Amino acid sequence: DTAVSQTPKYLVTQMGNDKSIKCEQNLGHDTMYWYKQDSKKFLKIMFSYNNKELIINETVPNRFSPKSPDKAHLNLHINSLELGDSAVYFCASSLPGTSGLYNEQFFGPGTRLTVL
Amino acid sequence: GENVEQHPSTLSVQEGDSAVIKCTYSDSASNYFPWYKQELGKGPQLIIDIRSNVGEKKDQRIAVTLNKTAKHFSLHITETQPEDSAVYFCAAILMDTGRRALTFGSGTRLQVQP
Repeated sequence: DTAVSQTPKYLVTQMGNDKSIKCEQNLGHDTMYWYKQDSKKFLKIMFSYNNKELIINETVPNRFSPKSPDKAHLNLHINSLELGDSAVYFCASSLPGTSGLYNEQFFGPGTRLTVL
Repeated sequence: GENVEQHPSTLSVQEGDSAVIKCTYSDSASNYFPWYKQELGKGPQLIIDIRSNVGEKKDQRIAVTLNKTAKHFSLHITETQPEDSAVYFCAAILMDTGRRALTFGSGTRLQVQP
């Protein structure tokens, strides 16, 4: 009965490699997000998709590209990995807000990425 | 600029005591303020949220207060238990960013001593 799932949970890779993190939600939500949590626990939004359409794209390097094959999935591809990409990446989902109202975001368990 | 400030960064209390975490935000148009709890190795989980049309909301041992004039909101946990130990994040939708995404505070590590 997992609500938001991510794979893999841990990812250790070398600098320069290309890797992907997958996210799936079974809540029927239309909006999905990717967050990055650094070593100091600071959480920052990277991307947001609403019904497969990109609506938020923060200032992240072009090496990061989200892909949403359907509204239940939002995968994160990272090219040419760098040491500074090491962090925990969280996927989240929510119902879309309407009329200025916002809804709870449900977070996945996170993927710890370590770049060597 | 967009900003949510959270204090303290660490908080240690004895079991049964109360804990208070405070946040301030920069945008007076913000209207949604959730609090998330993150346990070790897990994703953040919503514990309570408040919208700008109310000043206080309570759910059992947890309460949140909002002062829109001063642009700050606080989390209150009463009768703390060891299982309350976690990192707590406040957040706000900062409307002046134009992107309507949650901006998180820097987190408070709460330790409840048995």
